[in-house]
Amino acid sequence: DQQVKQNSPSLSVQEGRISILNCDYTNSMFDYFLWYKKYPAEGPTFLISISSIKDKNEDGRFTVFLNKSAKHLSLHIVPSQPGDSAVYFCAASDDKIIFGKGTRLHILP
Amino acid sequence: NAGVTQTPKFQVLKTGQSMTLQCAQDMNHNSMYWYRQDPGMGLRLIYYSASEGTTDKGEVPNGYNVSRLNKREFSLRLESAAPSQTSVYFCASSTNRAGNTIYFGEGSWLTVV
Repeated sequence: DQQVKQNSPSLSVQEGRISILNCDYTNSMFDYFLWYKKYPAEGPTFLISISSIKDKNEDGRFTVFLNKSAKHLSLHIVPSQPGDSAVYFCAASDDKIIFGKGTRLHILP
Repeated sequence: NAGVTQTPKFQVLKTGQSMTLQCAQDMNHNSMYWYRQDPGMGLRLIYYSASEGTTDKGEVPNGYNVSRLNKREFSLRLESAAPSQTSVYFCASSTNRAGNTIYFGEGSWLTVV
């Protein structure tokens, strides 16, 4: 039973446009949410996070939005760049950290 | 600037063989984790250790054992490897429980034939 769901396996976005990656969770005890980026043959690297007491966190081109009532979060990347092409994992934590299946983002030239 | 180091990077095992994946972190983190990544399945938590001396099961613990040898080291053992355990294994660590980013090693590619 998946506690963290990323329902889009892949997403293609034109360079310069906004990329929106979505994530849903089921466990209301999660109190911290994270996004990780992964390139092939490398370990995942931290991108941005948000506490459950906030609804938005911004870091440069990356913004994460949290809707607790809907148990939904999203990552916005604007403007999208070629180097953003990677797999993005959503994660949520209580006393452990659970990841979604990932969304592969392709930035088109 | 080592961070999280895991060995070996690549390993081929025969069904029924045993092996141990080693992991060490030099960031003085309390929590350590083992994940496996399979195509279409994302990162699934095998075991985690919230502090030295404690270990807990994650989402997919069957077929694995772990040892938190000290604060720095967290090993993953396959007692009798099965083809279903062919995967990429990632060790990770974080400062403490929830709320802190976790740092991953580079991965260990394991093939069981």
